[in-house]
Order: sequence, then structure tokens, then C-alpha cells
Amino acid sequence: AQSVTQLGSHVSVSEGALVLLRCNYSSSVPPYLFWYVQYPNQGLQLLLKYTSAATLVKGINGFEAEFKKSETSFHLTKPSAHMSDAAEYFCAVSSGGYQKVTFGTGTKLQVIP
Amino acid sequence: GAVVSQHPSWVICKSGTSVKIECRSLDFQATTMFWYRQFPKQSLMLMATSNEGSKATYEQGVEKDKFLINHASLTLSTLTVTSAHPEDSSFYICSAPGSRDNEKLFFGSGTQLSVL
Repeated sequence: AQSVTQLGSHVSVSEGALVLLRCNYSSSVPPYLFWYVQYPNQGLQLLLKYTSAATLVKGINGFEAEFKKSETSFHLTKPSAHMSDAAEYFCAVSSGGYQKVTFGTGTKLQVIP
Repeated sequence: GAVVSQHPSWVICKSGTSVKIECRSLDFQATTMFWYRQFPKQSLMLMATSNEGSKATYEQGVEKDKFLINHASLTLSTLTVTSAHPEDSSFYICSAPGSRDNEKLFFGSGTQLSVL
């Protein structure tokens, strides 16, 4: 069994401020972890993924996430928010690649100018 | 890069009618297509997995006779919501794994279904 919990359905940050989107997972096997972003009227796009290699994963658009097994977390961060980062972000877990991916409820990021 | 084109993006229908949603893989072959449903403020829930040329696999609690899935070609999968009712109103989204990167899913832009 696997599950994902995203804390905070809405997060607001000022432009230039740190972005932190939280994700905790539960998995009975070593997990594959993903962050997807969804811009308005578009499909989900993969931001980054963890597949048992380096625990600090760098993705597109300056985002990164750190896999912490002891905390069962995979929080998404970006040092400086940009207006174009406003979107909905989904954390996801699977037990193997794209098979049976379980998504979190999403976090809508608002960037305030 | 690989693109999954999903149509329509939104549809309003009367209760009792059927609605077909199409997902096409552009520039790659999708032997597998995943269909998800998302209710407001909830996560995407996997409904079924369609495989080209064979019957779809449905998740527990999903009525296969209500949500008909057809995957007749390597580039097209369709989901038909039969005899739709207001409780079927939801956001439906498809995704397909990339042929070169098995961990990567390519998503359609979703279909917002409203049943009156």
C-alpha cells in the first residue's frame, strides 16, 4: 500500500521568497517519488523524480526535492519564487516506475508580486 | 517532446446521455494509457489502465460497464461515460508512459465533465 500527504492545499509566497511545498509518503517498498506541476488549462508535467539514486534531486525551473527516508518526506523547494511558478503541484509515489502512481491532493502555489 | 492530446477539455451533458473522451499520443506510441478522475480538493484517483489490443484493467470500485475504455490503436484511447449522472461530474485526465523513459508519465490536459 502507498499513499501521499501534501500539507497545505494553498501556499502563498512573495516573489523572490523561498518556496517550500511539503510532501510525506507511505510505502511498503522502496518508493519512486515524483513532483508534477499543472499550469492552468494544461496537463501535468514532470518536475523531478527520485528513483533510488541521489537523495537530492534537481528538477526543471530551479526546483529541487530531497528524499528523507527517516522522515518519509520528499519536500519540494525553490530558493526564489518567480511569478511563473504559480501553478498546482502534485506529489506522487509509486512502487516501480509509472506503475500504479498514487497522487497527493495537490498544492496550489500563489506568488505575490 | 512527447505530448498527449485530450479532447474535449470540457463538456456539459444531460443526465442519462453518454460522453466520450479521447486521448491521443502525439509523436510516440502509447501501448498503455492510464485514466484518472479527480474530484474537487481530492487527489487524482486511478480508474483504469488500458492496454492496446486488450481489455482494460479497472481499479476496485470502478464500474467497467459505466466507464467504457477502448484502446484500439497505439495512439488512441477513449473513455466513454455511459448514462452519465450528476455524481459522475468530475475532472478526468489520461496519461501515458513515455516510450524512452519508463518513469515519466505524459498527461493530457484533462476533461471537466458536468452532468446536469
